[in-house]
Amino acid sequence: DAGVIQSPRHEVTEMGQEVTLRCKPISGHDYLFWYRQTMMRGLELLIYFNNNVPIDDSGMPEDRFSAKMPNASFSTLKIQPSEPRDSAVYFCASSPSGTGRSNEKLFFGSGTQLSVL
Amino acid sequence: KQEVTQIPAALSVPEGENLVLNCSFTDSAIYNLQWFRQDPGKGLTSLLLIQSSQREQTSGRLNASLDKSSGRSTLYIAASQPGDSATYLCAAHSGYSTLTFGKGTMLLVSP
Repeated sequence: DAGVIQSPRHEVTEMGQEVTLRCKPISGHDYLFWYRQTMMRGLELLIYFNNNVPIDDSGMPEDRFSAKMPNASFSTLKIQPSEPRDSAVYFCASSPSGTGRSNEKLFFGSGTQLSVL
Repeated sequence: KQEVTQIPAALSVPEGENLVLNCSFTDSAIYNLQWFRQDPGKGLTSLLLIQSSQREQTSGRLNASLDKSSGRSTLYIAASQPGDSATYLCAAHSGYSTLTFGKGTMLLVSP
C-alpha cells in the first residue's frame, strides 16, 4: 500500500480564495483524521470520520472550514474564504479502528503546506 | 482536557550518546501513549505504542516507558546516530479515537 496520500504538497493562495486539500487514506482503514500543525499550537485535531461519517468536528476552528468524505477512499478539507492565520501544515491520517482499540497505530500522510498571503 | 508537555523543546548531542526525551500528561486515564518521529517536511511515523497496561516497549535502540500514576513517559535512545536527528512527538490517547499531541522535542545528533 502507498500509505496515506495527500495533495497538493504545497499550496500558496491569496486571502479570500477558496482552498481544497485532498486525502486518500490507506485502503481498509475505517477512520480518517484531519490535523493542523503550527509552531505555536503544535498538532491539533480538526475533525475525524468513521466509515465516511463525521464523528467529531469540535476542532474545526470556524465555519470557514468544512470537511467531507464522500467515499471510503477520499476526503477533502475546504477553507472558504482563506485567511493568513490559516497558514499551517495540514495532515491527514488514517487508522484501522481509530485508535479506539488500545493497540492501534495512526498512519500519517506527508501533509499539505498551506500559505495564505 | 488532556494536556501533553514535552521537555526539552530541543536537544543537541554528539553521536554515540545515550539520551532521554520526556513527555508528561495531565490526565492519567489513558488508553495508550504513542511516540512518533517527524522528519522535516514529512508526516509523522509511529515509533512505539505503549498500552495503558504496559510499562515499556522496545524497538531496536529505542525504549519507551510509561508511568501512568505520575503522568510521565520517556523515550530512551541508545547509541544515538546522525540519522536519529528529527522531531520526536508523544501523544496520549485518552478519549475514544482521538490523540492529544505534545509539541515535540527537536533532536540534533552531530557526527
